[in-house]
Amino acid sequence: AQTVTQSQPEMSVQEAETVTLSCTYDTSESDYYLFWYKQPPSRQMILVIRQEAYKQQNATENRFSVNFQKAAKSFSLKISDSQLGDAAMYFCAYSKGFGNEKLTFGTGTRLTIIP
Amino acid sequence: DTAVSQTPKYLVTQMGNDKSIKCEQNLGHDTMYWYKQDSKKFLKIMFSYNNKELIINETVPNRFSPKSPDKAHLNLHINSLELGDSAVYFCASSPPSRGNTEAFFGQGTRLTVV
Repeated sequence: AQTVTQSQPEMSVQEAETVTLSCTYDTSESDYYLFWYKQPPSRQMILVIRQEAYKQQNATENRFSVNFQKAAKSFSLKISDSQLGDAAMYFCAYSKGFGNEKLTFGTGTRLTIIP
Repeated sequence: DTAVSQTPKYLVTQMGNDKSIKCEQNLGHDTMYWYKQDSKKFLKIMFSYNNKELIINETVPNRFSPKSPDKAHLNLHINSLELGDSAVYFCASSPPSRGNTEAFFGQGTRLTVV
């Protein structure tokens, strides 16, 4: 069974600084997808970034980028120029890669932004 | 227009009652899901439907029964509610095509059983 581990229950960063959230996963599949979702206090689950395992290039979305290390089964999220609106729970998630596959989530990291 | 909408957003009910949560998506997706987020914020899949057919049924008590009248709707009915059922329940949908597995989530329903 696939598992996703987030070892940092809480993180904090000064506004405008950079922070990296860690995620490791375990799978025997060679083709899969990895995601970072953000859950602000509003409770809405918002996709931040997605990485296809067959792509070697790390995904980027504006201030958000990932460091995907397939051999190490590591998928960290880097947030640059942190903003107050980035404060939220961040969940790392895995899916096998087809449209009807479930997401397996990590336990989440609560990110606090210090003004 | 809201892509995935759930009703109600909040539900407070007594133990032993039966309640339903409704979900609708207007994205044209074939697959819909129910996830449960517990008090520690852990999210776990409960059910998944593809074109009205049940494809994932995790180890969920049979007091929970999903129903999909059509591929745009997936409702969750819960019988004989227990205190431990208190959680946030998320509906989600995803497109069928390989290479686009992003799940779109509803805003969640916070269920409180007293």
